[in-house]
Amino acid sequence: GESVGLHLPTLSVQEGDNSIINCAYSNSASDYFIWYKQESGKGPQFIIDIRSNMDKRQGQRVTVLLNKTVKHLSLQIAATQPGDSAVYFCAEGAGGSYIPTFGRGTSLIVHP
Amino acid sequence: GAVVSQHPSWVICKSGTSVKIECRSLDFQATTMFWYRQFPKQSLMLMATSNEGSKATYEQGVEKDKFLINHASLTLSTLTVTSAHPEDSSFYICSASWDHEKLFFGSGTQLSVL
Repeated sequence: GESVGLHLPTLSVQEGDNSIINCAYSNSASDYFIWYKQESGKGPQFIIDIRSNMDKRQGQRVTVLLNKTVKHLSLQIAATQPGDSAVYFCAEGAGGSYIPTFGRGTSLIVHP
Repeated sequence: GAVVSQHPSWVICKSGTSVKIECRSLDFQATTMFWYRQFPKQSLMLMATSNEGSKATYEQGVEKDKFLINHASLTLSTLTVTSAHPEDSSFYICSASWDHEKLFFGSGTQLSVL
């Protein structure tokens, strides 16, 4: 079946820098995308979502960009903090029937 | 935000015994609950989808007789690992949804089978 994948398994940044985590998806029918954050030993936590009728959505310190032409999704974290250190997953859904498919995940390491 | 409680957070058991993991949506009614398995440094692998009052839908390769799922109410789903063996040791995570879009996850259960 089609899948969601990530470009970079590990991203190391300095505290205060901006972070960009990327995700490629292959299901052209996907119309709903979510980013989750998973801290060590815990369940994933919802960060932000975006629908396919948008190409950008902003939250608190986070922005999700969607490029449907190249099937690419990114999560931007502004002024990255040590508490942002975690694994980030993107997930996709289609047609209102959301059975989430998770990519590999990107480990974000923030150095103080 | 919506809260999903998962219990226990960790369990150690002997090979051959069964272990039950509970997943509760505390402040909303979950029409659908999902069970995942996660190995260290790997992604979440969907095991099954359960809807209240009906049989769970298992993903390919997941043994339904091994991983029994019960979704008896809109706020509770349970996963029972029957006759557990060391290869069943893993991190199990549940999630719940009311709108078939956003998922809210439990804190996970680390199962260690000796």
